[in-house]
Amino acid sequence: AQSVTQLDSQVPVFEEAPVELRCNYSSSVSVYLFWYVQYPNQGLQLLLKYLSGSTLVKGINGFEAEFNKSQTSFHLRKPSVHISDTAEYFCAVTAPGEGRRALTFGSGTRLQVQP
Amino acid sequence: AAGVIQSPRHLIKEKRETATLKCYPIPRHDTVYWYQQGPGQDPQFLISFYEKMQSDKGSIPDRFSAQQFSDYHSELNMSSLELGDSALYFCASSLGNYLKSTDTQYFGPGTRLTVL
Repeated sequence: AQSVTQLDSQVPVFEEAPVELRCNYSSSVSVYLFWYVQYPNQGLQLLLKYLSGSTLVKGINGFEAEFNKSQTSFHLRKPSVHISDTAEYFCAVTAPGEGRRALTFGSGTRLQVQP
Repeated sequence: AAGVIQSPRHLIKEKRETATLKCYPIPRHDTVYWYQQGPGQDPQFLISFYEKMQSDKGSIPDRFSAQQFSDYHSELNMSSLELGDSALYFCASSLGNYLKSTDTQYFGPGTRLTVL
């Protein structure tokens, strides 16, 4: 079975500052990794995903993430945040090698961008 | 582009009542997943269907059942509702093709169920 740990429950940051949201995973097989964003009272929107290939993945809204197999991490970064980035961010994993397509989510990180 | 549609968006029920949630996947998507997100919690996988057959099962209570119909829409039936069932229920769809294993799940806006 796989699991996801998001190390920070809340990350306050000032507008235009860089941010990193941390995600570590645990799995005995190869995984696919995802970052989803949830704005208040809305559904989950896919930010980016890592399936294979280049370990640096670029997503929507200027976000990017780097897959690090040796550290089992998939941290999300943005060089300059905006007020509109305030939301809950979820890291998630699937393990196709186990035939498991359902997503296992981390506990989420609330990004609070302050003016 | 068309997205996943869920209905109703909000539902209020009394304890011990039943509820039916509906999910209409993105056109041509053949796989549907149901997730439950309690207040302040991360989404938890309940059940999934691929080509109208149950493909995986998570932490779905025995009081709940689901199915996928010939037009690929899915319904989640919940009986003997309890206060703890109050949550946001998400449906996600993907183009399954288990042989390729590259399906990405796209989420609907969710149904907020409140049990009083």
